Amino acid sequence: QKEVEQNSGPLSVPEGAIASLNCTYSDRGSQSFFWYRQYSGKSPELIMSIYSNGDKEDGRFTAQLNKASQYVSLLIRDSQPSDSATYLCAVRATFLAGSARQLTFGSGTQLTVLP
Amino acid sequence: DAEITQSPRHKITETGRQVTLACHQTWNHNNMFWYRQDLGHGLRLIHYSYGVQDTNKGEVSDGYSVSRSNTEDLPLTLESAASSQTSVYFCASSENKDTEAFFGQGTRLTVV
Repeated sequence: QKEVEQNSGPLSVPEGAIASLNCTYSDRGSQSFFWYRQYSGKSPELIMSIYSNGDKEDGRFTAQLNKASQYVSLLIRDSQPSDSATYLCAVRATFLAGSARQLTFGSGTQLTVLP
Repeated sequence: DAEITQSPRHKITETGRQVTLACHQTWNHNNMFWYRQDLGHGLRLIHYSYGVQDTNKGEVSDGYSVSRSNTEDLPLTLESAASSQTSVYFCASSENKDTEAFFGQGTRLTVV
């Protein structure tokens, strides 16, 4: 059973601080990694995708991947109250067949950015 | 703009009734998915399709069925609704099997 684990939080950070969200996964066959943001009552929206070890930056967001340690993280710099949402980590095992190849989601981390 | 839409947005039904949730996408994506989201469980895959006439079971497929008669639509049917199927349902699509999925707005289903 593949698992994706996230700290459910809630995680609170002051406005302007760096928010750090972490995700670990159990399947070493995972090849693709995604971070989604979900506002309350809304659908998940893609923030970042990362496929290779290291850092990937997009504006205030940085995704970090370490396949050897089986973790992926999301850093949000200069956090804003509008960043308050639940962040979902998703992984995909690219080289498996059937439903094992589909996106597996963590339960999400609830982030609150305090003004 | 291309999009993915779900209907209805909210539905209340009685135990034992058949219910169909619609999903329509205009991206011309071959890959479509249905998830349910419940507190404590995150998003769980119900069924998925890689193209017309292709359907596959996901992690929590019991009591659900899908059909894919064209590229744009993947309706989800609850054959005999149960209270355990009260949930928020999301449809998603992706350009290919390895890329990210884009989600519809969701359908909140309540079975009473």
